[in-house]
Amino acid sequence: KNEVEQSPQNLTAQEGEFITINCSYSVGISALHWLQQHPGGGIVSLFMLSSGKKKHGRLIATINIQEKHSSLHITASHPRDSAVYICAASFGNEKLTFGTGTRLTIIP
Amino acid sequence: DGGITQSPKYLFRKEGQNVTLSCEQNLNHDAMYWYRQDPGQGLRLIYYSQIVNDFQKGDIAEGYSVSREKKESFPLTVTSAQKNPTAFYLCASSMDSGSADTQYFGPGTRLTVL
Repeated sequence: KNEVEQSPQNLTAQEGEFITINCSYSVGISALHWLQQHPGGGIVSLFMLSSGKKKHGRLIATINIQEKHSSLHITASHPRDSAVYICAASFGNEKLTFGTGTRLTIIP
Repeated sequence: DGGITQSPKYLFRKEGQNVTLSCEQNLNHDAMYWYRQDPGQGLRLIYYSQIVNDFQKGDIAEGYSVSREKKESFPLTVTSAQKNPTAFYLCASSMDSGSADTQYFGPGTRLTVL
């Protein structure tokens, strides 16, 4: 069965802290997506990766294909990073399978 | 500006009424998707379309219907047969139908059935 699990469900941190959000999946994938959902509900795609590591500003996404695991890191976190972060996996068909999300709150 | 629009942002309907949610994109994308989001659950796929005049059921299609008469538009009708229609509905599009392609999301419509 194609499954995606995220941890933690909720994460609260102080401004400036280094943040890590984890995503594991059940079987081999063709791509792993990281998405950001702000309180208003809109979703923005952050990364799509199938191997290695990608970086955009203070955000870094990594994936370990052998361990079936991906991480999203935020360096020098800021209150504007507060959002729900969602990982989603492509298991080789046209559909994405989504995790339940990690709610991140950064306190000033 | 290119993007996806959904309207309205909030929608209230009485139980037993059909309601249609709008989704329009000007990104020239071939593929479009409808998702449903409920508290504590991941997004679930309702319907998707890879090309005009063609669409496929997703994981939770019962009680919903769609049409794809134009490339830019993919409206979703929530019928009275949908047992729990109150939810947040998101439309998305991608250049092609491969799930390894980046999907672009609309702002969503929050439907409340009274």
